[in-house]
Amino acid sequence: ILNVEQSPQSLHVQEGDSTNFTCSFPSSNFYALHWYRWETAKSPEALFVMTLNGDEKKKGRISATLNTKEGYSYLYIKGSQPEDSATYLCALYAGNNRKLIWGLGTSLAVNP
Amino acid sequence: GAGVSQSPSNKVTEKGKDVELRCDPISGHTALYWYRQSLGQGLEFLIYFQGNSAPDKSGLPSDRFSAERTGGSVSTLTIQRTQQEDSAVYLCASSPPPVGSQPQHFGDGTRLSIL
Repeated sequence: ILNVEQSPQSLHVQEGDSTNFTCSFPSSNFYALHWYRWETAKSPEALFVMTLNGDEKKKGRISATLNTKEGYSYLYIKGSQPEDSATYLCALYAGNNRKLIWGLGTSLAVNP
Repeated sequence: GAGVSQSPSNKVTEKGKDVELRCDPISGHTALYWYRQSLGQGLEFLIYFQGNSAPDKSGLPSDRFSAERTGGSVSTLTIQRTQQEDSAVYLCASSPPPVGSQPQHFGDGTRLSIL
């Protein structure tokens, strides 16, 4: 059974702080790793899809790295802003499945 | 262009009634997914369509739940004899090929409340 784990479960930071969270997954049959941002009362929004070991992607102040050999991905937010407050979800697409296996998310609250 | 469209946005119904939820995916997206989020819970996978076929129905919680997709486009999720535990936000997502390496695009969801 594939299991995707995210840590920490929740995080409170001050505006301007930089922060990062972890997504861990089994490395066998890896195909792609997705990151989504889910704000309260909205629907999830895709941030990144990463497929290659060593991949690093960036979108504004948010970036992500991928290590498929050891089975983890980091999401970094530089200079957090209150509007970054959301749940950040990662999801694994492994070769034998035809669906994303979702983590439970990291809930980020940025205090002004 | 148009995103994933779901209807209705809100549905309140009495326990025991049947409900039908609709999802219009983005044109050209071959994969379509249904999820739900119950109060205080994460994203729960229900069913996945590739074209009109559903290779994975493993997430449907009971035989009261069914879904179909026609013409490789619109999908409907039907819940028969609704129960209070069916109350949740039902989300639909679609993605273009190749499956897995493209992001999923989500609709705004249908908030279902069973009285």
